[in-house]
Order: sequence, then C-alpha cells, then structure tokens
Amino acid sequence: GAGVSQSPRYKVAKRGQDVALRCDPISGHVSLFWYQQALGQGPEFLTYFQNEAQLDKSGLPSDRFFAERPEGSVSTLKIQRTQQEDSAVYLCASSRTRNSNQPQHFGDGTRLSIL
Amino acid sequence: AQTVTQSQPEMSVQEAETVTLSCTYDTSESNYYLFWYKQPPSRQMILVIRQEAYKQQNATENRFSVNFQKAAKSFSLKISDSQLGDTAMYFCAFSRYDNYGQNFVFGPGTRLSVLP
Repeated sequence: GAGVSQSPRYKVAKRGQDVALRCDPISGHVSLFWYQQALGQGPEFLTYFQNEAQLDKSGLPSDRFFAERPEGSVSTLKIQRTQQEDSAVYLCASSRTRNSNQPQHFGDGTRLSIL
Repeated sequence: AQTVTQSQPEMSVQEAETVTLSCTYDTSESNYYLFWYKQPPSRQMILVIRQEAYKQQNATENRFSVNFQKAAKSFSLKISDSQLGDTAMYFCAFSRYDNYGQNFVFGPGTRLSVLP
C-alpha cells in the first residue's frame, strides 16, 4: 500500500483480556518500529524489527507484551492480560532501509482503551 | 541514554506570522540525526524536516527551517508564514548514527495553534 496501515483503529477491551494489534508497513521497508504514545505525550519506543528479526525489544514494558514479524512484512503486537495502564495509542512506523538517517513513516495508530 | 526536551507545551501564532519551537537534547554521541515531526489531530505523524549532525548547514524545507546549534545541543524549528494547516503537535526526535537501525527518542511535544 501507499502508507503504513494499522488495524484496528480503535480497540476497547476489558482488563485481563488479550489483544492483538496489526501493522502493515510500506511494501519493501526493511525496518519496523512499534511505539506507545500516552495521551498528551511523545511516542515511546517499544520494539524494532529488521526484516523478520527482532533486534531490540528493550522498550517493552513487561513480559505481557509480545511482538512478531514472521515473514518480514506484517507485524503484530500482542498484549496479554491487559491492564488499565496499557491504555494508549500504539504507533507503528517503517523505514526503507536499516540506516538510522532514514525517516520513519508512521501509521495512524491504534487507540487502545482498557476498561 | 539520550533525552529530548521541548520546554514549550503550548504555543500560538497568528496566521502569516513566524513562530519558533525549541528543542534541546542530551547525548554523548558526536554523530546523530535530528528530526521534527508534525502530528495533526488526525494523529498520523508526518516528517517536517531532518538534520544530520555532521552538517553545519541548517536544513530548510520550504517554510520550515531549523537552527541547529551542536555545541549547545539545541535544534529549534522556525515556521514562517504560518498557515491554519500548521496547527498540530510538533515533536522533536533524536536518532543515533547507526547502520543497524535505531529507534527515535521523542520529546514530549509542543502543541501549536495557528489563529486566523
């Protein structure tokens, strides 16, 4: 597609439920990033993929968070046993190469609300 | 670890005027990249401008320009001839120089309102 696509756009879940958020990056983009953005704050890094390899997951807040990109394209961020503090917008970004001077192209995000 | 600070949570400017958004960062790296991103209410982050730390010349992109002061670790964004469509959150972001991919470190953002 022309841009980074994320689904669903909005997700409401009850505390304790598992959720899965999808990211479809720009075709051919090597690098894929997940960020968490709390209301009124800047995005905070969660994890990074280069093709199918997860090279950095230092930003994942707990072992309830899990991300994968099995074929080096679409990525899924899964949150198990959701908590209220998980409520945020989850942004996915991709960039064309692995070089850090490349701009990251962002999706619209998924707004997750935990009740 | 790198940190990015934006000391102006909110700013406003009259249409057609000029406004400057400030950003400072802390790093021990000598080579890195700096970015300004815009996030309108629709939420998608859009790249505004990019600066490579090893370049002394300030980046410009149409009405947008930066004042990059490497020694002071300052990276301000100037918007000239402000337009209503410039209303958005503006985030300053830092990326280390690396060929193996690096996440961005974002500042907390500045909410800019352009007034008619």
